[in-house]
Amino acid sequence: DTGVSQNPRHKITKRGQNVTFRCDPISEHNRLYWYRQTLGQGPEFLTYFQNEAQLEKSRLLSDRFSAERPKGSFSTLEIQRTEQGDSAMYLCASSLAGERFFGPGTRLTVL
Amino acid sequence: DAKTTQPNSMESNEEEPVHLPCNHSTISGTDYIHWYRQLPSQGPEYVIHGLTSNVNNRMASLAIAEDRKSSTLILHRATLRDAAVYYCIPLNSGGYQKVTFGIGTKLQVIP
Repeated sequence: DTGVSQNPRHKITKRGQNVTFRCDPISEHNRLYWYRQTLGQGPEFLTYFQNEAQLEKSRLLSDRFSAERPKGSFSTLEIQRTEQGDSAMYLCASSLAGERFFGPGTRLTVL
Repeated sequence: DAKTTQPNSMESNEEEPVHLPCNHSTISGTDYIHWYRQLPSQGPEYVIHGLTSNVNNRMASLAIAEDRKSSTLILHRATLRDAAVYYCIPLNSGGYQKVTFGIGTKLQVIP
């Protein structure tokens, strides 16, 4: 257990539905990252927060994806109008400096 | 971002040392070399990082080439619990980079 928690751990949804994932980082960590990982691939960067400010977004993050980190604590990642191609593991990580602590991930299956 | 090259897979016998190589010839002078590993169905786990000098911790050792274009993660005595995918990634001192992990090296440990 790294101290980073993610909920839910698994989510099955139908195409076209909206889903929201939550990440609770280690409390003193000011940096928070979201990644997406598909089978056989390494984690792909999606977005990065420093405190409550979203400082970077990947081109992978289409308009259907939005992330927030109100008050610089927990973060949410919402996917609107889900597509089958969104099926993946969504990972959250937090850090103070270089070393990143990852959560267990939320596995999304879009039917 | 610097590109890394790792073998797709490696095998090791249990209780023998394992040397996992990584080429990062385009690494910038200020980037640290980080290693993470990912066990099945878990998020990545930090292993070790270094800048120029070789580094040791309770999990592994990191040997960095003098020109910093390559590094080697050393597991001194492989156990079955070390079977995982190992990733090397360059990260700057501030820790922030929109880094996407490569495919990594899948290590199989043979009893």
